[in-house]
Amino acid sequence: EAGVTQFPSHSVIEKGQTVTLRCDPISGHDNLYWYRRVMGKEIKFLLHFVKESKQDESGMPNNRFLAERTGGTYSTLKVQPAELEDSGVYFCASSPGQGKYGYTFGSGTRLTVV
Amino acid sequence: GEDVEQSLFLSVREGDSSVINCTYTDSSSTYLYWYKQEPGAGLQLLTYIFSNMDMKQDQRLTVLLNKKDKHLSLRIADTQTGDSAIYFCAERRDSGAGSYQLTFGKGTKLSVIP
Repeated sequence: EAGVTQFPSHSVIEKGQTVTLRCDPISGHDNLYWYRRVMGKEIKFLLHFVKESKQDESGMPNNRFLAERTGGTYSTLKVQPAELEDSGVYFCASSPGQGKYGYTFGSGTRLTVV
Repeated sequence: GEDVEQSLFLSVREGDSSVINCTYTDSSSTYLYWYKQEPGAGLQLLTYIFSNMDMKQDQRLTVLLNKKDKHLSLRIADTQTGDSAIYFCAERRDSGAGSYQLTFGKGTKLSVIP
């Protein structure tokens, strides 16, 4: 089966611009997660979708971040306007159930805000 | 504290055993995980252990769990150059929002010397 696909793999944008990251989970996986790793820090939870609903968005840093999962398939994470501190690697993961046996992660999108 | 702690670097000679250690904080965590990240790649689930287990072995990998001390370790037998990567320890926490979040350590960079 195809894995979790994320694109772009890299994005360099200027402060104040908008960027949209996309994640295609494994087909049939109802649960989709976004995590990010800011340079030198831990990988942190952002939010969790079950199908098209946001189950938990407690990790979203502020209202400049908007995640959607229309139709319960792929998801997008938009950052508008981007700030320097948003630079990092954004990971998407999916699981068929609640993921107690682990998630399948994508390769990540490396976002650099200059 | 709330952190999952790991040492940042480990260097071993090819053929030796590697032991990567981790301490976690949430005594109610039911599942703990080891993920591997190779350069330019995503997070690959290596193994997981359920909290009622003390040990789990899978080919060259052995996971030991000391629940009393909240200590998790990953032993890689006969370490190969292909094992060079960053290894992340993660615990599964109930977010209280009908969801679970993974809390990661900063990762241990394993370097294998030929």
